[in-house]
Amino acid sequence: NAGVMQNPRHLVRRRGQEARLRCSPMKGHSHVYWYRQLPEEGLKFMVYLQKENIIDESGMPKERFSAEFPKEGPSILRIQQVVRGDSAAYFCASSPRAGHSGANVLTFGAGSRLTVL
Amino acid sequence: KQEVTQIPAALSVPEGENLVLNCSFTDSAIYNLQWFRQDPGKGLTSLLLIQSSQREQTSGRLNASLDKSSGRSTLYIAASQPGDSATYLCAVKSNNNDMRFGAGTRLTVKP
Repeated sequence: NAGVMQNPRHLVRRRGQEARLRCSPMKGHSHVYWYRQLPEEGLKFMVYLQKENIIDESGMPKERFSAEFPKEGPSILRIQQVVRGDSAAYFCASSPRAGHSGANVLTFGAGSRLTVL
Repeated sequence: KQEVTQIPAALSVPEGENLVLNCSFTDSAIYNLQWFRQDPGKGLTSLLLIQSSQREQTSGRLNASLDKSSGRSTLYIAASQPGDSATYLCAVKSNNNDMRFGAGTRLTVKP
């Protein structure tokens, strides 16, 4: 089991370009979560998805950010027209069950580090 | 295998009281510990992050402590307000990148 795979590990974009971050959950996991980590800060929840459904996107910025988890293929976090403030580490996690509590273990990927020049 | 336990499961206090939420974990080899707040139907709001080398963090009326050797963390809320009513989750990140959440403490602050 390869764990949660995120790619690219590092991505450099110029202001105004688009960034696409991919996350393949662990085998057997159908719940995917995206978090952002700014330097020296903890994880901040962005969005929670199941296959083809966004369950909770309360942490997503209202503009330029979108996420999907299609029936086939990885989950994608898309950032349009990137700005310098988007520079951060973006972590994906997956779980076999819903939610953040109890015995549910979230397994995290190694993260994708976005740098906006 | 890391296990995270939060006590109590639910807590109801009158407005203005100081209170303590407890989190315990079984494996002291942690990377960090984070306290979150979860409002009904919403995602998580990060409150405080304590790295494994730190003993406490403070933000406003919140103070979180970490005692790695005993596998404990506490979240202290001073002068509680009705707006503090929510579920508080403790999450422990291990060195292998797994993050395990406790079941949460459901706090109700009565006006």
